[in-house]
Amino acid sequence: GDSVTQMEGPVTLSEEAFLTINCTYTATGYPSLFWYVQYPGEGLQLLLKATKADDKGSNKGFEATYRKETTSFHLEKGSVQVSDSAVYFCALSDYGGSQGNLIFGKGTKLSVKP
Amino acid sequence: DTGVSQDPRHKITKRGQNVTFRCDPISEHNRLYWYRQTLGQGPEFLTYFQNEAQLEKSRLLSDRFSAERPKGSFSTLEIQRTEQGDSAMYLCASSFDTTYEQYFGPGTRLTVT
Repeated sequence: GDSVTQMEGPVTLSEEAFLTINCTYTATGYPSLFWYVQYPGEGLQLLLKATKADDKGSNKGFEATYRKETTSFHLEKGSVQVSDSAVYFCALSDYGGSQGNLIFGKGTKLSVKP
Repeated sequence: DTGVSQDPRHKITKRGQNVTFRCDPISEHNRLYWYRQTLGQGPEFLTYFQNEAQLEKSRLLSDRFSAERPKGSFSTLEIQRTEQGDSAMYLCASSFDTTYEQYFGPGTRLTVT
């Protein structure tokens, strides 16, 4: 079945450092890919998404490119801030094959130190 | 609109008791999803509704679990004869349709003692 694998955390960075969180997926169809973020004490929020190969999703300085050849959707940010400290989840949804439910990775906790 | 709301936010119960959670989706959203999240894991799909019809259930949803969405509005998730393994965060999400963004509620944290 479909699945998502993302890098284990926690990841600790200094403010203004470059961030990469790796995410790879397995899917039989042509999924849409997502990054969700969960700030401490809050619910999951959609950070960005990409619906087809070579699409780049971006939001709040974060970017991820849908790479079909490597089945990857790595999250990047050029300069992290303390306020980016959160848990990040990579997810996919195979709209064509299922009913739109999301399949999540295990999450990567990011801590940014001032 | 205030977003997806869930009630209660926290529930502590003794093993063997029944519990019921409520989710109020964003008003114009047709789709409603339930997920379960255990510590250190990502959310796992349980079931979803299109309006009032429950269209898919995960194998994670044992016979002790039942969900309803009367009149296609709010939804309830009931767990009968709770077990310690049911301890988790139960998340509700809603969306306008299949291909639209899912908006998540804050979750109900269940602890079974």
